[in-house]
Amino acid sequence: SQKIEQNSEALNIQEGKTATLTCNYTNYSPAYLQWYRQDPGRGPVFLLLIRENEKEKRKERLKVTFDTTLKQSLFHITASQPADSATYLCALDTRNQFYFGTGTSLTVIP
Amino acid sequence: GAVVSQHPSRVICKSGTSVKIECRSLDFQATTMFWYRQFPKKSLMLMATSNEGSKATYEQGVEKDKFLINHASLTLSTLTVTSAHPEDSSFYICSARDSRAGLGGYTFGSGTRLTVV
Repeated sequence: SQKIEQNSEALNIQEGKTATLTCNYTNYSPAYLQWYRQDPGRGPVFLLLIRENEKEKRKERLKVTFDTTLKQSLFHITASQPADSATYLCALDTRNQFYFGTGTSLTVIP
Repeated sequence: GAVVSQHPSRVICKSGTSVKIECRSLDFQATTMFWYRQFPKKSLMLMATSNEGSKATYEQGVEKDKFLINHASLTLSTLTVTSAHPEDSSFYICSARDSRAGLGGYTFGSGTRLTVV
């Protein structure tokens, strides 16, 4: 069966540290993998996209890696701030359809 | 950037009635829009892919007669929850991608909180 799992439902870290979130998938062949941020009661907001032939992508304090052999993406937030507290979702784009992972709720403690 | 407007943001309806949710792309045309449902503290579940001028494609387990989707123009898709029941209470979100932006993420509406009483 097809699954997209983010293996921490909740993650608490101290301000200033690097948060690392994991996204693992099975039985998908994504063309792209995307990461979104979702705040309570709001729709997801796009953060980063990485293609299947890319290993790493950076944007300011964010870094995403994509390993199609391991079927895994890692999402890093460096120098984390309390304002980074939110739910982070990975999503697979197979060109035809778009599926979300289970999400990780990140709390950055001051 | 691309903006997707979703309306209403909240709706309370009586059991047995129908509710229509609108999703508009404000500054771009969207031949394809997506409808999701989200339960509390859970991820988004793709319900259906809405295609302009043709029938929607529903995911397995989603009742097409209950969740009617109409994509009559390049900027508007609607989801109608027919004969709503309390178990239909949920957070519904639409999304679309602006193809003019090249490769990029999808833009999501702000969601509709449906409560059926």
